Amino acid sequence: TAGITQAPTSQILAAGRSMTLRCTQDMRHNAMYWYRQDLGLGLRLIHYSNTAGTTGKGEVPDGYSVSRANTDDFPLTLASAVPSQTSVYFCASSESRGVEAFFGQGTRLTVV
Amino acid sequence: QKEVEQNSGPLSVPEGAIASLNCTYSDRGSQSFFWYRQYSGKSPELIMSIYSNGDKEDGRFTAQLNKASQYVSLLIRDSQPSDSATYLCAGRAGYSGGYQKVTFGIGTKLQVIP
Repeated sequence: TAGITQAPTSQILAAGRSMTLRCTQDMRHNAMYWYRQDLGLGLRLIHYSNTAGTTGKGEVPDGYSVSRANTDDFPLTLASAVPSQTSVYFCASSESRGVEAFFGQGTRLTVV
Repeated sequence: QKEVEQNSGPLSVPEGAIASLNCTYSDRGSQSFFWYRQYSGKSPELIMSIYSNGDKEDGRFTAQLNKASQYVSLLIRDSQPSDSATYLCAGRAGYSGGYQKVTFGIGTKLQVIP
């Protein structure tokens, strides 16, 4: 089934450790996004990529980095996790920037 | 003030009734709006897009957009218990720092009572 795959689905991470959340799409979408979703705050954009080879900062980029080496993959890295990064992370993609996005199943991350 | 405002709910409606979900936005440059449905523990799923003033119907769903009032709504006719979910409103505004910004509301939780 075509779509977006995220891994892992959940993770408990010790504070100070690093981690990479993986995201792969097979729809050949140009644009990809990383959101975090927190109760009462909704979905907030962390980083985005309009096309392979380019990335940009969203609303809450601090503590996160991304890369876009090819069209299909858009990993999100936490270099040194802190408890405030406990959240549900969604990767999404869209055919072009700004149009309706399709979401992966999410990664539930708990930093302790 | 959030750029896209929604009442978090819960909104409770009896089965078979019309559920009305509302959303307001502050950026007059917003051009397009999306409604996503999110079941508990799942990812958001796009159900409607609307780009111009007026109504857009798709099955039991009708999206309404009023740009003068900066108001978007989603009507669900003949509500079913399976419609119980959180509904996220999202608006696409102008370019900001290289991307066309899409802002999400916090979502309204809908409960359809059998």
